[in-house]
Amino acid sequence: QSALTQPASVSGSPGQSITISCTGTSSDVGSYNLVSWFQQHPGKAPKLMIYEVTKRPSGVSNRFSGSKSGNTASLTISGLQAEDEADYYCCSYAGSTTFYVFGTGTKVTVL
Amino acid sequence: QVQLVESGGGVVQPGGSLRLSCAASGFAFSAYGMHWVRQAPGKGLEWVAFIRYDESNKYYADSVKGRFTISRDNSKNTLYLQMNSLRAEDTAVYYCARENGNVFQHWGQGTLVTVSS
Repeated sequence: QSALTQPASVSGSPGQSITISCTGTSSDVGSYNLVSWFQQHPGKAPKLMIYEVTKRPSGVSNRFSGSKSGNTASLTISGLQAEDEADYYCCSYAGSTTFYVFGTGTKVTVL
Repeated sequence: QVQLVESGGGVVQPGGSLRLSCAASGFAFSAYGMHWVRQAPGKGLEWVAFIRYDESNKYYADSVKGRFTISRDNSKNTLYLQMNSLRAEDTAVYYCARENGNVFQHWGQGTLVTVSS
């Protein structure tokens, strides 16, 4: 099972909005509304930001939002802040054989 | 609050074995499925294994199937990963994560495993 495809890097200025794509297949992203997004700062553990495509855990800023169309999921960060600079990973359930597949990761830079 | 603390990482020779532990606190450990996820140095995340809350089912990534075994002791609130026949490509930070409805909800801080001669 190949990793989900994400852009290697995305950048934006403070206050702007950016979107990170996560492209899978009809066997994972396209088949299940079980896409999550994680934020990871250097040397730290991943933190859940979005689950079930669009849901935000309590405590996560509403500047983070998720969506999905076909085999591609997206994470949008609005009102970009310096603290948003981190690596972001998507993840999708992929059925009872493969189970879970993560994305390749995207480095977000705040200019 | 939910706390997951991994331990047991270290340096091991190729072909060797290592057992990782994940001590859980702050929640009813016996009610939740648990995962192991790893991250090679400078690389992305890779799901490794999952165990249901009652050990009734265990699942593994193809890359570790037959070499790694996930288990748990609900009386000790502890998750384990027994790793045998280790290879250089198993070098990574290993995280345990608590599941909640197909979601990796909480993560530990990770433990580093280095496979090198």
